[in-house]
Parts: sequence; structure tokens; C-alpha cells
Amino acid sequence: DTAVSQTPKYLVTQMGNDKSIKCEQNLGHDTMYWYKQDSKKFLKIMFSYNNKELIINETVPNRFSPKSPDKAHLNLHINSLELGDSAVYFCASSHFGNEQFFGPGTRLTVL
Amino acid sequence: RKEVEQDPGPFNVPEGATVAFNCTYSNSASQSFFWYRQDCRKEPKLLMSVYSSGNEDGRFTAQLNRASQYISLLIRDSKLSDSATYLCVAQLVSGNTPLVFGKGTRLSVIA
Repeated sequence: DTAVSQTPKYLVTQMGNDKSIKCEQNLGHDTMYWYKQDSKKFLKIMFSYNNKELIINETVPNRFSPKSPDKAHLNLHINSLELGDSAVYFCASSHFGNEQFFGPGTRLTVL
Repeated sequence: RKEVEQDPGPFNVPEGATVAFNCTYSNSASQSFFWYRQDCRKEPKLLMSVYSSGNEDGRFTAQLNRASQYISLLIRDSKLSDSATYLCVAQLVSGNTPLVFGKGTRLSVIA
């Protein structure tokens, strides 16, 4: 069974569209994260959620909004997509003091 | 200045070689440190944690020097399967806080 799963794996869309990426973890972890890996392979935190509360929000545009319906899910919704949003988005989860497990990534291409 | 800096490489080494990666971090308040491994088009996976006393896991040895804010990874007897990108990671507070990644050092082990 996959510990952290993301859908879709690939997403190709036009500028200006709105899209969502879903993330689910079956590890019973209480904190989930979204990271962005850009074309230069630099991996950077976007959001983290602990017990359904946003605890860190880095300087990302407000077009990006995380949504957590429950502890096992943290979805990422993106409005008005721009070319610069093209990247690989990784979801991760952890339980206090332990390793962060990453999902397989969603490769977003904005045309 | 990047929070975590690494030599991007690539390091091209023959099988059986010993290779060392170095990393520096700028935030002296960082508490926890890790090396992650990322294979091409895959998610990052924890290779090992890094402690001040140094730690070893098989052919891999990690060292932390808090005074110099310097982290290292030594790989002995390189295998073809070690080919990957190695990410140096710092964490501000131990526990459920985001990871701060370096850009990674690419290693290619050649037969």
C-alpha cells in the first residue's frame, strides 16, 4: 500500500485555468506538507497543516490554497495558473519528531 | 544567500570509489539535519539523519559540525545503485516543521 499518494501524477493545462492536486496519507500522521520543486530542482516548502490548521504559510501567491478535509488529506488548489507555476509538487507527511514521507509528486505543466 | 548550500556537482566516480559531499547551512538556530536521496523523477527519501557525534550506516557516514555550520556525507565503496541526487536538509525545530533543502549534489557512479 502506498503511504503517501498524490493524484494526478501528470497535469498539463492552459494558463488561466484552475486546478487541484489531491494528497492522501494512510500513515496516521498528523502533519502534512506541500513542497514545490522547480525546474532547477530546488525543493521548497509551500504549506504545512497540523491537525487541520495551517501552521506555516511561506511566501506563496494567494492563488494557491491548501484544503484539508481531514487529517489524512491535504489538497492543493491553484487558481489562474501561470507559466511559472510549472513544477513538480510533492506532498509529504510526518508524525512528531519522525521522518517526513513524500508522495510520488505531481508534474504540472502550464502551457 | 541560500539557507542550505551544496556543491551541485555532478560528481562522476568509478565503482568502488569513496566520495564526499559537503553542505553548509546559514541559520544557526537549525536543530535537525538529514541527508535525503532523490532518484531521477522520483520523490526524496530519507537516507540518514545527521548527529553531532557522527553516525554511520553501512557504507554511509554523516557528520555535523555545529560550530562551522557544516554537514558532510561520505560514501565508501560506491555502487552503481548509489547514482542519484543527494539533498542536504536542515530543520529549524525538531518535529513537525518543514524541511529546508539544499539544491542537491548529483552523483553518477560509473562502471
